[in-house]
Parts: sequence; C-alpha cells; structure tokens
Amino acid sequence: DSGVTQTPKHLITATGQRVTLRCSPRSGDLSVYWYQQSLDQGLQFLIQYYNGEERAKGNILERFSAQQFPDLHSELNLSSLELGDSALYFCASSVGVQGTYEQYFGPGTRLTVT
Amino acid sequence: AQTVTQSQPEMSVQEAETVTLSCTYDTSESDYYLFWYKQPPSRQMILVIRQEAYKQQNATENRFSVNFQKAAKSFSLKISDSQLGDAAMYFCAYRKGTGNQFYFGTGTSLTVIP
Repeated sequence: DSGVTQTPKHLITATGQRVTLRCSPRSGDLSVYWYQQSLDQGLQFLIQYYNGEERAKGNILERFSAQQFPDLHSELNLSSLELGDSALYFCASSVGVQGTYEQYFGPGTRLTVT
Repeated sequence: AQTVTQSQPEMSVQEAETVTLSCTYDTSESDYYLFWYKQPPSRQMILVIRQEAYKQQNATENRFSVNFQKAAKSFSLKISDSQLGDAAMYFCAYRKGTGNQFYFGTGTSLTVIP
C-alpha cells in the first residue's frame, strides 16, 4: 500500500458525459501527478499540482482539467468523453515539487467509456 | 525531448533463473534519475529500484540490480533467482534532476515459467 488513495476504482460511463476522479496523496506529500495509461501503453503524464498550484502540464487534452484543494486532495475532471478516453488513470504523489526521488502511485481508476 | 525506449515487449524466464530487461533513454541532461517500476496484474505501480545519474555505482535492491551505462544511455534491470511473483509488466522511467515529470517507456511484460 503506497498510501495514495484513488476513488472510484472503476467507472463506466457513456460518450459525451463528464466524470470526476479523486486522489488523496500520501500524508505529507504536497505534489500530485496525474497519468493516463491506455491499453498496452506506458504511462502518459497529464498534469502536476504542487500545494494547490499547477506546476507542470503534459499531454492533457483541453477537455480534461484538474485541481488540487487546500487539503491537498486532487480531482481530475474529464468532460465530453470519447471512446478513446477509456484508460487507467493513475494519481501519484511526492514530497516536493523538484529534487525528490520517486513518486508513489495510487491503485488507479479504470474508466470505461461506452 | 526525453524519450525512454524498452525494445523488449515480452520476456520470459524460468523460475530461479536470471533475466535482464533492457532500457535506453535519450537526454541532453547531466543530472537525472532513472527508475524501474513493476506493474503486476493488480495494476498497482510499484517502485523496484532507482538510480541517480551522478552515482557510478549500480543500484541494488535484494534480487534486483541495474546495469547503468551513462555514456551509452542504457539502464537495464537484472532480476536474479526469478520468482513467480516477479511476473508483471516492468516500466523504465526517467526524470530530470530538477524536473517533476516522469517519462515512461512502453513496458516489458515478464512471464515467469514454473
């Protein structure tokens, strides 16, 4: 158990809908990262927040957005969902924003868009 | 741009034998970190081992060790005395020393044959 929690574990929704994925980082971690893992693919970095502020952006679609709240939990919002958005979405956390070593991953949320 | 390449989509090893997974990366940075993550069928991302680029000594964690060849930009993972529980997808990852984004390879699926 990494200490990072993600809810829900599974999500099934229809095209065009909007969903919110939630992540709680490890106690004491200020950075939260979001990744997308499509079928048989590596992890693609989406976005990073540090202590409530956006710090880095990767291959995140305009239909996707995220935020980090004062209690440091983060939410990833996916809207106008398409079939190709079906994937495993991981959240990871680390202590700092830079100069830290590993990121600790949550168990992921499996999103299925039908 | 940083890229991480894992040229072996699938590997297999007999139980108790040794297997080496390959990873190469491309970077112009001198300060960076390299990681191997394991993703078992549960899909949880588990850190196996990490290597700091400034360290010449290869990292070792129990049965897992790396062969870090900085000039060749190669970072292979050796698993000794393979166990059934080692069966998983293995991802190589890179992070710039002052950066916050991880770059992942596409993974190697390891099968352990009893």
